[in-house]
Amino acid sequence: DIQMTQSPSSLSASVGDRVTLTCRASQGVINYLAWFQQKPGKAPKSLIFGASVLRSEVPSRFSGSGSGTDFTLTISSLQPEDFATYYCQQYYNYPPTFGQGTKVEI
Amino acid sequence: EVQLVETGGGLTQPGGSLRLSCVASGFTVSSNYMDWVRQAPGKGLEWVSVLYSGGDTYYADSVRGRFTISRDDSTNTVFLQMNSLRVEDTAVYYCARGWGYGGKTFDYWGQGALVTVSP
Repeated sequence: DIQMTQSPSSLSASVGDRVTLTCRASQGVINYLAWFQQKPGKAPKSLIFGASVLRSEVPSRFSGSGSGTDFTLTISSLQPEDFATYYCQQYYNYPPTFGQGTKVEI
Repeated sequence: EVQLVETGGGLTQPGGSLRLSCVASGFTVSSNYMDWVRQAPGKGLEWVSVLYSGGDTYYADSVRGRFTISRDDSTNTVFLQMNSLRVEDTAVYYCARGWGYGGKTFDYWGQGALVTVSP
């Protein structure tokens, strides 16, 4: 199985900050990398697929980059509604695997 | 509007069985990849199973031989039959629509159904 490792596990930030989350795959996944946002008690929400393609309803302050084994999710100006846990997920092969998550806290 | 609604969660003892249902609206399950993903309390996300439109199924090693995914096209519903449940199967189980390369990522998720396995 492909192992996905996210860093940091958590971070504290303020509204307006630029934050960057990192995801590393144990082997190359080309650009078959997705990012999800999850708020407490809620289902995950798809943000990005193909490493850098935003879903249509996702604000443009979110961006993704990377290929191969190293990926980043950047929030250019953190908003109150962005405080959540973020997961990366590879969909290059089975089984699909997720990182352990990065919790973005105030 | 795409919606997924899971039902069937609950409390059972180790060795017991439960069947989760996921009713879909806004699209046809038989034309899509349909997955189950679970999340143990306070933990991350774990893919469980997929049902292809053509009927092929795949399972995580942790549930293979105990869980079965299926669907009812007449009611646009996907099921997860869970047998020989273990304490470590305790989790919120999400139904999700598979998407992308081989359907191995997910664009829509249900609200989740809590399964608790406890002596």
